[in-house]
Amino acid sequence: EPEVTQTPSHQVTQMGQEVILRCVPISNHLYFYWYRQILGQKVEFLVSFYNNEISEKSEIFDDQFSVERPDGSNFTLKIRSTKLEDSAMYFCASKRTGLGSYEQYFGPGTRLTVT
Amino acid sequence: ILNVEQSPQSLHVQEGDSTNFTCSFPSSNFYALHWYRWETAKSPEALFVMTLNGDEKKKGRISATLNTKEGYSYLYIKGSQPEDSATYLCAPKGGGADGLTFGKGTHLIIQP
Repeated sequence: EPEVTQTPSHQVTQMGQEVILRCVPISNHLYFYWYRQILGQKVEFLVSFYNNEISEKSEIFDDQFSVERPDGSNFTLKIRSTKLEDSAMYFCASKRTGLGSYEQYFGPGTRLTVT
Repeated sequence: ILNVEQSPQSLHVQEGDSTNFTCSFPSSNFYALHWYRWETAKSPEALFVMTLNGDEKKKGRISATLNTKEGYSYLYIKGSQPEDSATYLCAPKGGGADGLTFGKGTHLIIQP
């Protein structure tokens, strides 16, 4: 069964460094998402992406964040200058169509630790 | 959609017993409700998507109901098994929004 994959599973970085989190969505899916969960808190929506542009973003997704689909398979989240509070589990998700009731399929997450 | 509440936060159930838990959300601007099952170190797994008031969905021993007028959904597990141990997340979705707003989840532990 097709699944969303994410790499790396765990990333440790120093404050102020740039990080890129990578995702390979399910191949025939058209909508892509990033979410994060800070330890002990709710899973929070960051951004959605369709047709090579951001379709929706939350207040969390500020200028430090960017997303890109550099080729036909990868979807990346870049954090330009990491802060301690960026430490979280980051989830990628994808969805087949634009109809709102379709499931979003999640990857296993990347645990980002900023020291 | 804000103010998504799930209760209880955690639940210990004996193997073989049935159980249920709740997701509450604002009833205005409702579009759809998603339930996910999340085991530690795995991907959250989509269980159900419900849109209509009175919807009932079932997958094996797990079922869910939806009341959009009063803003709640119940998830039921019949005859709990150890493999049901997981965190169950609900995520209502508002009209015009694509991102999901998750509750904190109900952490279910099935005791043999």
